[in-house]
Amino acid sequence: EIQMTQSPSSLSASVGDRVTITCQASHDIKNHLNWYQQKPGKAPNLLIYDASNLKTGVPSRFSGSGSGTDFTFTISTLQPEDIATYYCQQYVSLVTFGPGTNVDMK
Amino acid sequence: EVQVVESGGGLVQPGGSLRLSCAVSGFRISAYWMSWVRQAPGKGLEWVANIKEDGSEQNYVGSVKGRFTITRDNAKSTVYLQMNSLRVEDTAVYYCASSAIWGQGTMVTVSS
Repeated sequence: EIQMTQSPSSLSASVGDRVTITCQASHDIKNHLNWYQQKPGKAPNLLIYDASNLKTGVPSRFSGSGSGTDFTFTISTLQPEDIATYYCQQYVSLVTFGPGTNVDMK
Repeated sequence: EVQVVESGGGLVQPGGSLRLSCAVSGFRISAYWMSWVRQAPGKGLEWVANIKEDGSEQNYVGSVKGRFTITRDNAKSTVYLQMNSLRVEDTAVYYCASSAIWGQGTMVTVSS
């Protein structure tokens, strides 16, 4: 079973800040990684697929990179509506989510 | 417009059963793997099970193997999750999903 870790588990940032979240897989998952945003009481929303592809309609301030075991998710300029929990998800072998990163406003 | 509607959740005693349904419209589920993902109160996302496009392959997280069964009826554009021998730790919101397509979830509470 592939395990996923994320860091940090939570962070506080100001509007306009650059926010970076890392995700690490226990085995090589190539680029089979998604990033989701989840707001309280809502279903997750896919932002990035195949590690670095922006889903249509998602603002360009969101980006993803990486392959193999190490991945990065970036919000280039944090907006108030970006307050949420972010999850990485691998799908090369079954499916596993990372534990999530809670992003709030400083 | 794509709509995903889960139903069948509720309160059940430990050891009981529930059958969740996921009705999808505006999206051709026959071309995609479909999954159930759950989220316990205040916790993160946990993948539960998935099923291949034609229903010929199913996979489960270890904690539900032998207790849960995922099936699909492509003609009805519906995915199911039969949950037996439910445990308190199965309490969660259960989402039906396929990558970018998610429902709003149905709550399952296992309690005596």
